[in-house]
Amino acid sequence: AQTVTQSQPEMSVQEAETVTLSCTYDTSESDYYLFWYKQPPSRQMILVIRQEAYKQQNATENRFSVNFQKAAKSFSLKISDSQLGDAAMYFCAYRQSSNTGKLIFGQGTTLQVKP
Amino acid sequence: EAGVTQFPSHSVIEKGQTVTLRCDPISGHDNLYWYRRVMGKEIKFLLHFVKESKQDESGMPNNRFLAERTGGTYSTLKVQPAELEDSGVYFCASSQDLGNRGRGGYTFGSGTRLTVV
Repeated sequence: AQTVTQSQPEMSVQEAETVTLSCTYDTSESDYYLFWYKQPPSRQMILVIRQEAYKQQNATENRFSVNFQKAAKSFSLKISDSQLGDAAMYFCAYRQSSNTGKLIFGQGTTLQVKP
Repeated sequence: EAGVTQFPSHSVIEKGQTVTLRCDPISGHDNLYWYRRVMGKEIKFLLHFVKESKQDESGMPNNRFLAERTGGTYSTLKVQPAELEDSGVYFCASSQDLGNRGRGGYTFGSGTRLTVV
């Protein structure tokens, strides 16, 4: 069975600095999708970035980028120039590419941004 | 475009009572998912509807949970009778396809926080 692990329950970063959130996963599949979702307090979860496993190039969305290491089954999220609005809980998620939309989530990392 | 709407946002019920959670997906989204996060643990998949049909209900914990999606529009998740361990946040998400295209394709609701006392 696939699993997703986020080993950092809490992280903090100074405003304008860079922070990296870790995520590892376990799967026997070769084709799948990986996601990072952000959930601000009392608000809905929104997609930050996604990565297709067949793509070697790391995904980037403005200040957010990933370091996708397929062989190591690692999918870390780097947030550059951190802003106060980045404070939230971040979830790493996995999805098989086959006929299912089911997401498997990690435990989440709470990110605090200090002014 | 209206987002995914869930209500109530909070519910506190006594053990043994019944609670019904509702999710209104984005109009036109055939796929509707229910997830649950028990305090301090990961978000876990409960089930997946494609229109009114249950595509995958492998995550439903037991027969005290009943999900429906009549007419392929909104969905309800009923817990009867509720137990203490059912407390948590119940999320609903919808997508037009299986999330293969676009930027992930899933839109989540804000969740319903259920507390069973």
